[in-house]
Amino acid sequence: AQKVTQAQTEISVVEKEDVTLDCVYETRDTTYYLFWYKQPPSGELVFLIRRNSFDEQNEISGRYSWNFQKSTSSFNFTITASQVVDSAVYFCALVQGAQKLVFGQGTRLTINP
Amino acid sequence: ETGVTQSPTHLIKTRGQQVTLRCSSQSGHNTVSWYQQALGQGPQFIFQYYREEENGRGNFPPRFSGLQFPNYSSELNVNALELDDSALYLCASSLEALGAQSTQYFGPGTRLLVL
Repeated sequence: AQKVTQAQTEISVVEKEDVTLDCVYETRDTTYYLFWYKQPPSGELVFLIRRNSFDEQNEISGRYSWNFQKSTSSFNFTITASQVVDSAVYFCALVQGAQKLVFGQGTRLTINP
Repeated sequence: ETGVTQSPTHLIKTRGQQVTLRCSSQSGHNTVSWYQQALGQGPQFIFQYYREEENGRGNFPPRFSGLQFPNYSSELNVNALELDDSALYLCASSLEALGAQSTQYFGPGTRLLVL
């Protein structure tokens, strides 16, 4: 069965600090896709990144970066120089086959000024 | 903004009643998925509709049902509401033709409270 674990329930840091959100997944398939979504207080899930299982290159988008390591089944997300606007709940998710997304429990990130 | 819209934004019902939630997908997308997100939890997959047919279902009872219309908009119906049905209901649209790699784009959700 597929499973996504986000062990960090809540993280609180001071603005401008770097912060890493952990994601560990379980799947038996060799082809799968991993996602990160951001959920601000308004509730809408905002798509951040999609990564397929064959592409282990790390990705950087502005202050955001992602580290995908198949050997440890992890897909971690780092925010560099965090800002108050980064405060939200972040979800890691896995999809395989049909488009059912399996989400982790989420990590609530609070950036304090 | 994703272009996915949902209505209503908030809803209060009493136990035993029935509710219909609506979703309009992003232009060009032919697949709609529904998720239930209880407070403090990650979203849970309810079902998916592709070209007006159910295309996968999660672990939800039959009183959760859906429809997809020719314009790809969708409805989620919940009968015999229970207190535990109180949650944020999220709709996501995607382009099925791309298969599992297709990104799902979410609407703002409907917050349902069952009293």
